[in-house]
Amino acid sequence: DTGVSQNPRHKITKRGQNVTFRCDPISEHNRLYWYRQTLGQGPEFLTYFQNEAQLEKSRLLSDRFSAERPKGSFSTLEIQRTEQGDSAMYLCASSWGGGNTIYFGEGSWLTVV
Amino acid sequence: QKEVEQDPGPLSVPEGAIVSLNCTYSNSAFQYFMWYRQYSRKGPELLMYTYSSGNKEDGRFTAQVDKSSKYISLFIRDSQPSDSATYLCAMSEDFGNEKLTFGTGTRLTIIP
Repeated sequence: DTGVSQNPRHKITKRGQNVTFRCDPISEHNRLYWYRQTLGQGPEFLTYFQNEAQLEKSRLLSDRFSAERPKGSFSTLEIQRTEQGDSAMYLCASSWGGGNTIYFGEGSWLTVV
Repeated sequence: QKEVEQDPGPLSVPEGAIVSLNCTYSNSAFQYFMWYRQYSRKGPELLMYTYSSGNKEDGRFTAQVDKSSKYISLFIRDSQPSDSATYLCAMSEDFGNEKLTFGTGTRLTIIP
C-alpha cells in the first residue's frame, strides 16, 4: 500500500502527557497537511508543509502543538500537556504541488482521559 | 456562523434513488469546490472537484456550483448500498488547495 500512512492509529493518554503522531506521505509528494476532525464535524486545517518548510499554521494550532517535517519526507505532530479538548482524529494528507488531489491517510485517533 | 453549512442528516434513501446533498457558504472568495466521501473511521476520499460555477459529471455523480447563491450540490444517481458514507463538502480560495474549509458532513445510508 503506497497511500498516506499514519501511526499510531489509536492513542489513549492521560491528561497532561505528551503525544506524538507520525505521518508518512505518498512517495514524492512535496506537500503535507495536518487536519483535525472531531466527532460529527468536518476536518479543520491545522498546518501544511511544502518540502521541509512549514508555510501556514492555523490559529487552532496552539503553542502546545508542534509539527515538523525535517527532511521533507515524513512529518510528526506533537501535542504537549494534552487536554481533554484535544481528543480528536488527526488526519494527515499529502499532494504533489498545489492544485492537485489531496490524499488523506486513515487518521490517528487521540483520546485524552 | 460557520463559513460552510451542511445538513448533518442522517439521510436514508432506498437503493436506486437519486440522492441530493447540499452545502451553503458565506465566503465569496471560495473558488474551488470539492466533495469528499468518508467511510466510518477512515480518511476522506476525493470524489469531485469543480472550479467556479457550473456542473461536472463523473459516472453516477454530478456536482453543481452556483456561486451567485453560494450553494453547491452533489447528486448521486442509481444509489447503491456501497454509497453509504458521510459526504463532506470542502472549499478553498486558492488553486493550491493549501487550506480546505470543510462542512460538517452529511451521513448517508442507502437501504437495500
